[in-house]
Amino acid sequence: DVKVTQSSRYLVKRTGEKVFLECVQDMDHENMFWYRQDPGLGLRLIYFSYDVKMKEKGDIPEGYSVSREKKERFSLILESASTNQTSMYLCASPPRTSGNPGDTQYFGPGTRLTVL
Amino acid sequence: GNSVTQMEGPVTLSEEAFLTINCTYTATGYPSLFWYVQYPGEGLQLLLKATKADDKGSNKGFEATYRKETTSFHLEKGSVQVSDSAVYFCALSGGYNKLIFGAGTRLAVHP
Repeated sequence: DVKVTQSSRYLVKRTGEKVFLECVQDMDHENMFWYRQDPGLGLRLIYFSYDVKMKEKGDIPEGYSVSREKKERFSLILESASTNQTSMYLCASPPRTSGNPGDTQYFGPGTRLTVL
Repeated sequence: GNSVTQMEGPVTLSEEAFLTINCTYTATGYPSLFWYVQYPGEGLQLLLKATKADDKGSNKGFEATYRKETTSFHLEKGSVQVSDSAVYFCALSGGYNKLIFGAGTRLAVHP
């Protein structure tokens, strides 16, 4: 049974704090993704990684960075949290690095981050 | 660029009613198309998918057909249940398995 876990379900931080969101998958997948979900906007891709120490910007990378030191773990970092980063953050991982467009992405339960 | 447009919600139905949620897309090439569902308090899970034109994806009584000529992938169910209440996302695949999502449609089913 595939599993993607995220370190926190709910998080409250203050403006200017450095925030780490962790995602772990136990499926030995190469690809991992970070999305943010906002009402009326759907999910938007922040960053993704297709291998250890590799990263690529998604559609909205500003204000974020990522770290992939181990295959199973992909961290999203908010260098200096701002109120407009209040959102639901979802981590996802598809099974293959081949880029088969039909592959299912497996999602974590999400982290609801509030920045005060 | 690639994009997905789906009907705005919320959609409110009575139990056993027929459901249609419209989804159209713009894409270069031949992407795969997906419907994901998010139940309250949970992450997204795949509902169904279609990988080429004229394919029909189906699961849990839901169906969607990949229509290349109309660039559509509408979600249908003949008889909805209260347990179908959720947010539904239409999506298409980009390179590296990236998904491009629509805005989501909230469905509320009442007894």
